[in-house]
Parts: sequence; structure tokens; C-alpha cells
Amino acid sequence: KNQVEQSPQSLIILEGKNCTLQCNYTVSPFSNLRWYKQDTGRGPVSLTIMTFSENTKSNGRYTATLDADTKQSSLHITASQLSDSASYICVVSVGGATNKLIFGTGTLLAVQP
Amino acid sequence: DVKVTQSSRYLVKRTGEKVFLECVQDMDHENMFWYRQDPGLGLRLIYFSYDVKMKEKGDIPEGYSVSREKKERFSLILESASTNQTSMYLCASRPGTSVYEQYFGPGTRLTVT
Repeated sequence: KNQVEQSPQSLIILEGKNCTLQCNYTVSPFSNLRWYKQDTGRGPVSLTIMTFSENTKSNGRYTATLDADTKQSSLHITASQLSDSASYICVVSVGGATNKLIFGTGTLLAVQP
Repeated sequence: DVKVTQSSRYLVKRTGEKVFLECVQDMDHENMFWYRQDPGLGLRLIYFSYDVKMKEKGDIPEGYSVSREKKERFSLILESASTNQTSMYLCASRPGTSVYEQYFGPGTRLTVT
């Protein structure tokens, strides 16, 4: 069964600190992996998208890594800001004809002053 | 910038009412999607459409129908709203296969009383 699991479920950090969110997946065939940021009451916004051949991608203070061998991804946030408080969702795209996206349940990050 | 808009941010309806949720995208994307998002469950696909007048069931189509009469507009219909359809509804669009970026609307928070 295709699944995406994220950890931790929630996280509280102090402003200015770094943090790392984890994503493990069992999706086959694999097409790509995305990280989305979703502010409370808003739709998800894309942060990064990585294909099988990419093992790291950055978007400002956000850096995503992908290990296709172990089927793990991480999202590292550097020098956190209050505006980083949001839910971060890992999404894996199934390859082939299905064009299906498998969503994780997200990590809820709270950045405190 | 791609823009996906949804007709309402918040909606309150009574049990048994017919409910229409509308979504419009301005980038000529072929594919449009309707998801619902519930705490702890992540995003679940209700229906999608890959062309005008075409529709495919997602993972949880029961109790819903859709309409796509124009390329830019995708409507979700709750024929007879029930309390278990209280949820956040997200529309998304995408230009092609799942290798492409998927853009989400801001969401509609529907409450059925």
C-alpha cells in the first residue's frame, strides 16, 4: 500500500533555531517528492519538488533532502521565523499512468518568540 | 503567477441542503482536483478532471458529484449535505502529469449543521 508518514506530528521551537522534519514513504513506482507549507486556514503552497535523481534542493531557508534508497526525505528549516509556523506536508507522486499524489498528514510547526 | 480561487472561504449549511463549491483557475491547466482535509487524515482526493466534461472518481467520491463545463471552472456538488461532510475543501489545478507542480486554492471551510 502506498503510504507517506511524517514525523514528528508537531514541534515547538524558539525563533532563530533550526529544525528538521522527516518523511518516510513506501510508494512505488516513485515519480517525485514535494514539500508543501500550509498556513492555518489556507491552501498548501509548494516549497520544493525533487525527482529521483535529485538529493537536495533549497528554497531560501528551506532545504529538502531525498534518499531514494532508504525512501526518506527531510525538510530542514534554518534560522526559523515566526512566519514559519505552519503545517508542512510531504507529498509523493506515484509514477506511471496513475498520476496520483500520496499525502502525508503533516507536521505542525510552532515557532515561538 | 498561477491563481486558483474558490468561491467561498467559509460556508455554513444545513443538513439536506444542496451545496455548490466552485473553483476557478486562470492558467489554462488541463487537470483540476477536489480534496477534503480533515485533522489527522491529511488530504483525500474526492474527484478530479483531466479535461472539460471529463471526470474521474478519487478515493472518497461518495456523497459528492462534480461538474466541469469550462476548462477554467470545476465545481463540487454535495447533493444532500450531511454533518460528516463538515470539512476543509481544497481545489487544485495542474498543467499536465504529476511531474508538474500542483497549485492549490485557499480552501473553503464548510460546516454542516
